Amino acid sequence: DAGVIQSPRHEVTEMGQEVTLRCKPISGHDYLFWYRQTMMRGLELLIYFNNNVPIDDSGMPEDRFSAKMPNASFSTLKIQPSEPRDSAVYFCASSLTHSNQPQHFGDGTRLSIL
Amino acid sequence: RKEVEQDPGPFNVPEGATVAFNCTYSNSASQSFFWYRQDCRKEPKLLMSVYSSGNEDGRFTAQLNRASQYISLLIRDSKLSDSATYLCVVNNQAGTALIFGKGTTLSVSS
Repeated sequence: DAGVIQSPRHEVTEMGQEVTLRCKPISGHDYLFWYRQTMMRGLELLIYFNNNVPIDDSGMPEDRFSAKMPNASFSTLKIQPSEPRDSAVYFCASSLTHSNQPQHFGDGTRLSIL
Repeated sequence: RKEVEQDPGPFNVPEGATVAFNCTYSNSASQSFFWYRQDCRKEPKLLMSVYSSGNEDGRFTAQLNRASQYISLLIRDSKLSDSATYLCVVNNQAGTALIFGKGTTLSVSS
C-alpha cells in the first residue's frame, strides 16, 4: 500500500519567494496533519484537517502560512513570503478515523530559505 | 510544565544492554499514548502504543503510570539497529490531537 506521499523532498529558495508543499494522504484516512520539525522546537503541529475541513490551525505561526485540502487525496501548505526562519523539515501525516489514532508520516520536505 | 517532556540524552549503550527512557506529560486527562521512533533524516514511525496495563512487543516494553503521569519504554538486548531518536507522544488537553516530545536519542555501539 502507498504511504503518505509528499513533494518536493527538498526545496531551496530565496527569501521572499512563495513555497508550496504538497501531500497525498493514505487513501481512506480521514485526518491529515501538517507538522514542522526543527532542532530547537522539535515536532510542532501546524494544522490538521478532518474530512478535508480545517479543524485546528492554532499552530500556524503567522499569516504567511496557509493550508488547503481541496479533496480527500490532496493538501498543500503554502508560505508566502518565505523567510530564513521558516527553514525546517515539514511533515505531512494522516490517520484513519480519529485525531488521536497513530499517525502515518510522509518522508517530509526539507526546506531551506536563503 | 511542558505538555510532554523527555530527557534528550544521548544515551550511549553497548550492544546487549538494557536501556529505559521515561517521559512525563502534563495533561492528567490524556488517554492516548505512543512511542515513535525517528531515524536520522527520516520521518517518525510508530513503534508501539502504550496501554494502561503495560504492553510488550518483542524486546520492547512500554509502561504507563497515570498517577505520576509518566510513560516509559524499556529496550532489552539492545541492537545496533536500535540507534535512533525515540519520541514520546500523548494526546493534547482538548483530546483532539497528538503532542510529540522532542525525543530521546539512543546510540548503541558494538
